[in-house]
Amino acid sequence: TQLLEQSPQFLSIQEGENLTVYCNSSSVFSSLQWYRQEPGEGPVLLVTVVTGGEVKKLKRLTFQFGDARKDSSLHITAAQPGDTGLYLCAGFRSNDYKLSFGAGTTVTVRA
Amino acid sequence: NAGVTQTPKFRILKIGQSMTLQCTQDMNHNYMYWYRQDPGMGLKLIYYSVGAGITDKGEVPNGYNVSRSTTEDFPLRLELAAPSQTSVYFCASSYSGLAGDVEQFFGPGTRLTVL
Repeated sequence: TQLLEQSPQFLSIQEGENLTVYCNSSSVFSSLQWYRQEPGEGPVLLVTVVTGGEVKKLKRLTFQFGDARKDSSLHITAAQPGDTGLYLCAGFRSNDYKLSFGAGTTVTVRA
Repeated sequence: NAGVTQTPKFRILKIGQSMTLQCTQDMNHNYMYWYRQDPGMGLKLIYYSVGAGITDKGEVPNGYNVSRSTTEDFPLRLELAAPSQTSVYFCASSYSGLAGDVEQFFGPGTRLTVL
């Protein structure tokens, strides 16, 4: 079982549509990171959220950290084909210095 | 800067063979990591290093060994390869140790198949 559960596992949408990816856990995290991974490449960090309830925006991407610091979401507005990739969340627990990754959500944006 | 580089890109091994996955970073990062990525499982930490000469086990170290003789290089050794080691392996580095806001920089990965 994964410490961080991501949903949905796969998402295919048309260009211009909006999408939301979820990252949930029963554990509390000190911070949560979102990475994007393109085929044949390693993950690249998009954002880190550290405060419960925090919302960060990166152009058309909006990241939210839950108030209880157990969950997070990534919302993409007006998705573009360049947003296609595997989105990974990773939660850090300061009590055991462990960084745990979710299994990822594969997003495909069709032109 | 090239960042984190890994070789080879692809490799097929027979059961029982050995090999070394190479990883080099040119960012002068003290911390380096090896992960494996399996479908539906996320990234799992195999080994990590906090500096030259210092390594420690991660979540899934069995069947692997590492060494860190220089700041730049962090090779991963597979002894007696098994089908369960079929995976995509990623090397990563960071300026400081894992903490809430530390960014890890990943290499492009090595896709290994053990038959």
